[in-house]
Order: sequence, then structure tokens, then C-alpha cells
Amino acid sequence: QQQVKQSPQSLIVQKGGISIINCAYENTAFDYFPWYQQFPGKGPALLIAIRPDVSEKKEGRFTISFNKSAKQFSLHIMDSQPGDSATYFCAARDATGSARQLTFGSGTQLTVLP
Amino acid sequence: DAGVTQSPTHLIKTRGQQVTLRCSPKSGHDTVSWYQQALGQGPQFIFQYYEEEERQRGNFPDRFSGHQYPNYSSELNVNALLLGDSALYLCASSLDPASGANVLTFGAGSRLTVL
Repeated sequence: QQQVKQSPQSLIVQKGGISIINCAYENTAFDYFPWYQQFPGKGPALLIAIRPDVSEKKEGRFTISFNKSAKQFSLHIMDSQPGDSATYFCAARDATGSARQLTFGSGTQLTVLP
Repeated sequence: DAGVTQSPTHLIKTRGQQVTLRCSPKSGHDTVSWYQQALGQGPQFIFQYYEEEERQRGNFPDRFSGHQYPNYSSELNVNALLLGDSALYLCASSLDPASGANVLTFGAGSRLTVL
């Protein structure tokens, strides 16, 4: 069964600190790896994404690191802010089906303390 | 520009009943996918509709069915509700993923509680 394993389940960081969330996958048919941010009462919103032919992608304070050989990828949030407090989901897209559906990790609840 | 709109936002049903959830995709999008998000879990793919046809289904029973209309809006129907169907149901729209489109836009979801 296709799975994406995400850790940690919850994370508490001081304002200005670095938040790191890790994900691992098994299916080599995954071809696109987005991260989603979800606030309470809202749907997930795309934060940043990467393709497996790139080892790192940075957008502002958010960076994805990707290790294709280890089948692992991670999200780094630099200078974390209280407004970053949300649930973060990694995901992977299946390239083999016509729907290109996403498989999501179980989520990380991030709390940034002021 | 309105994003993805879902209705109702919350609803309560009893076991054995049937429910219909509705979704209007983001303007310009022609593909609708439905996901189920159980409490404390990540979303799980139910199925995708494109050109008014179910294109692909995830690991969900036939009690879950859907429809897409010519204006690209979509419905999710769940029959014979079980307690385990309690979840947030998310609609996501996009351009046709098979054409290379990457970005899914999610709605805020419909929170279903089955008693």
C-alpha cells in the first residue's frame, strides 16, 4: 500500500527558531512532493513543492530538502513565527494513475511560542 | 476570484442515513477530487471526476459515489452511513492532472458527524 510516513506528530518551537518536519516514502512512482498548511476550520493550502530531480527548493522562510536515494524529504521553516502555527502535511503524487492523486502524511501540528 | 466552495459546512446524520455534499470548483478548473480527512489524520483520496466521469477511485466502498455536472461542480454521496464515516470531506479542484497540472486547490470542507 502506498504510504507516506510523517514525523513528528507534534512540534513546539520558540519564535525565531527552526521547525523541521520529516517525511519518508516507499513508492518510486511518486513524482511530485508538495507540502500543505492547514489552519483550523480551513482546507489545506499548498505551501511549497518539489520534484525528485531537485535536491532543495527554497521559498522565503520555507525550504524543502529532498533525498531521492533515501526516499526522504523534509520541510524546514526558518525564523518560525506564531502565525506559522498550523498543521503541516507532506504529500506525494502518484504518477502512474490518470488521476495523479496525492497520498498524504498523517500531519504535524506545529506550535510556535511567542 | 472565488476559490473552491463546499456546502454544507457542517451536518449531523444518524447511522444508515444518506448524505450529499456539494462542491463548486475554482473558476477555470475542470477536475474535482474528493478526499476524506478523519480527525487527526491526513486526507485520503476518495475519487476524481473529469469530464463528468469518475476517473479513478481510492480504497473506498461503493457506498461512496459522486457526480460531476457540465459546469464542473460536483457532488459526493454516501449511503448507509456508518459511525466511521464521520470526517471532514474535502473537495479539491484543479486543471486536468493528466495534462501535467500540479496544483490542487482545496475547499474548507464539509464536517460530517454520524451518530
